[in-house]
Amino acid sequence: EADIYQTPRYLVIGTGKKITLECSQTMGHDKMYWYQQDPGMELHLIHYSYGVNSTEKGDLSSESTVSRIRTEHFPLTLESARPSHTSQYLCASNRNGASGEQFFGPGTRLTVL
Amino acid sequence: KNQVEQSPQSLIILEGKNCTLQCNYTVSPFSNLRWYKQDTGRGPVSLTIMTFSENTKSNGRYTATLDADTKQSSLHITASQLSDSASYICVVSDRGSTLGRLYFGRGTQLTVWP
Repeated sequence: EADIYQTPRYLVIGTGKKITLECSQTMGHDKMYWYQQDPGMELHLIHYSYGVNSTEKGDLSSESTVSRIRTEHFPLTLESARPSHTSQYLCASNRNGASGEQFFGPGTRLTVL
Repeated sequence: KNQVEQSPQSLIILEGKNCTLQCNYTVSPFSNLRWYKQDTGRGPVSLTIMTFSENTKSNGRYTATLDADTKQSSLHITASQLSDSASYICVVSDRGSTLGRLYFGRGTQLTVWP
């Protein structure tokens, strides 16, 4: 099991609420990622970070934002949740090096009513 | 366009039987190919990694093959167990970017029945 954690595991909230999905890893990895995954579909990269104070948008347009103040912590925030944000959100990390294995957290299943 | 296609989309087999999952990709320049297993409600976990020069690699009851010329890979599962029920995702990495971008297939949903 990889040492990467996500909380909460499940979240059901109403439209318009602000939420933060937490992701932490204890492996000292520089690179961290957020993916969005819908049932039966491929993972889509929405944010990534090369290290502290580095954040970039991924391939899939997302209304979420991220921050990387500490190496081990990469939270994702939705300022105003909408039903279209309902999905599974997966956090991952790896060491520097293009071929490094990405280690995934268990995911957060978000439902916006 | 870099893509990863997997087949079949879903598969049901009886416990103890073997099965083979397929992956075709168009990712270039190619760095490596991984097969991940994703249990329901969990994050993906890497099973095998294949680089350009490797044809076959085994990890217990899992055997992956790679044909870099035809850009095809397969994952063979031997003597299936109930715990093999999961989604198997083919992931291809390119070496054309600093990020080491990953391209994901949609996965094959395998169900093993007793």
